[in-house]
Amino acid sequence: QLQLQESGPGLVKPSETLSLSCTVSGGSISSRGYYWGWIRQPPGKGLEWIGSIHYSGSTYYNPSLKSRVTISVDTSKNQFSLRLSSAIAADTALYYCARQFLEYSSSDWFDLWGQGTLVTVSS
Amino acid sequence: SSELTQDPAVSVALGQTVRITCQGDSLRRYYASWYQQKPGQAPVLVIYGKNNRPSGIPDRFSGSSSGNTASLTITGAQAEDEADYYCNSRDSSGNHWVFGGGTKLTVL
Repeated sequence: QLQLQESGPGLVKPSETLSLSCTVSGGSISSRGYYWGWIRQPPGKGLEWIGSIHYSGSTYYNPSLKSRVTISVDTSKNQFSLRLSSAIAADTALYYCARQFLEYSSSDWFDLWGQGTLVTVSS
Repeated sequence: SSELTQDPAVSVALGQTVRITCQGDSLRRYYASWYQQKPGQAPVLVIYGKNNRPSGIPDRFSGSSSGNTASLTITGAQAEDEADYYCNSRDSSGNHWVFGGGTKLTVL
């Protein structure tokens, strides 16, 4: 059964870069029809899509974060990663990685999620 | 601000039917997907596409769409359905995704 697991520092200083990885186990990150996404949730608030990547390297980013976000993929490690530069307190959130089915033009969805990892931006 | 609008909170009596709605212009072109999130847990996909349930999701959950509104209906709500529910779809550009603000469902 495919599983996703986030990893990375739980504390980041303001102005530094927030870096997380998501390891995919029980299946291949190179599966046809899937993208791999990052979603975050500030404490007590709703979900925000950050961006998604295909194993080929094709990416989509949230326009509100695009200037600070880089998502990359390493198929040899079955991992994809998030880098968010110039971190601010408002980036404090629970960060989820998820598998996104993206093969139909009118319908797509996030069908599998990691458990999430809390990242706090504070000095 | 979100391009998908949800009511912040909805309540339903145990065993009754409740509809949770999600409004947005992009829903005229794209189907919404729906996620259930219980406290301290990751979101779980409950409805996708026109009206599809992943394996393991009870058939009391159903989805529908009309115009700019997508709906999640729970027929015969159970105590374990108390949770936050989020809709998700593409935005008007078609190249980005947005979540609705979420609806907190209380089962009375």
